[in-house]
Amino acid sequence: EADIYQTPRYLVIGTGKKITLECSQTMGHDKMYWYQQDPGMELHLIHYSYGVNSTEKGDLSSESTVSRIRTEHFPLTLESARPSHTSQYLCASSDLGQGTDTQYFGPGTRLTVL
Amino acid sequence: AQKITQTQPGMFVQEKEAVTLDCTYDTSDQSYGLFWYKQPSSGEMIFLIYQGSYDEQNATEGRYSLNFQKARKSANLVISASQLGDSAMYFCAMREGYGQNFVFGPGTRLSVLP
Repeated sequence: EADIYQTPRYLVIGTGKKITLECSQTMGHDKMYWYQQDPGMELHLIHYSYGVNSTEKGDLSSESTVSRIRTEHFPLTLESARPSHTSQYLCASSDLGQGTDTQYFGPGTRLTVL
Repeated sequence: AQKITQTQPGMFVQEKEAVTLDCTYDTSDQSYGLFWYKQPSSGEMIFLIYQGSYDEQNATEGRYSLNFQKARKSANLVISASQLGDSAMYFCAMREGYGQNFVFGPGTRLSVLP
């Protein structure tokens, strides 16, 4: 079982607000990821990190930013939320050292921007 | 070009029957991993099963098995004895090489009928 947590689970916020979505894992995994997913649709990678102080943009362009100051923590920030940011955001982590590099996911944050 | 193809947007199966969800992939790497995830309506992504490209035997995990046909580049998920709780979206995913990012397919929505 994976131990990866996301808060908040649900967030409704007005346009222009700054928000931070939290993601933490207790497995000591080096790699962490953020995906964006509209309901019933495929996942799009927006950010990933291979370790502390490492962050990269994913395949889908995103106005969000991330940081990785501690191994266990990978927060995502939107400086100015817009209705187009309404989506589900999924955080995941993996450990290549275990051989399969299986990604384990958190429960997700459902964001609605009014 | 799509790296992961899932040709069945939706599938229906009668409770207690077996069902096969199709997945084909495209890669030129010799080393890769294939994964299946389940996403219920709650939104979380649940890891189900993994198949490595060098694994000679098909992977099995409880009621889940992966029908791996390397020459055809197919990795179909077989769920035996379907249960109502199996109703969900199912995503096929691939990791190319070592330490590379995942690619997810578009998903198949499975509905189990009582």
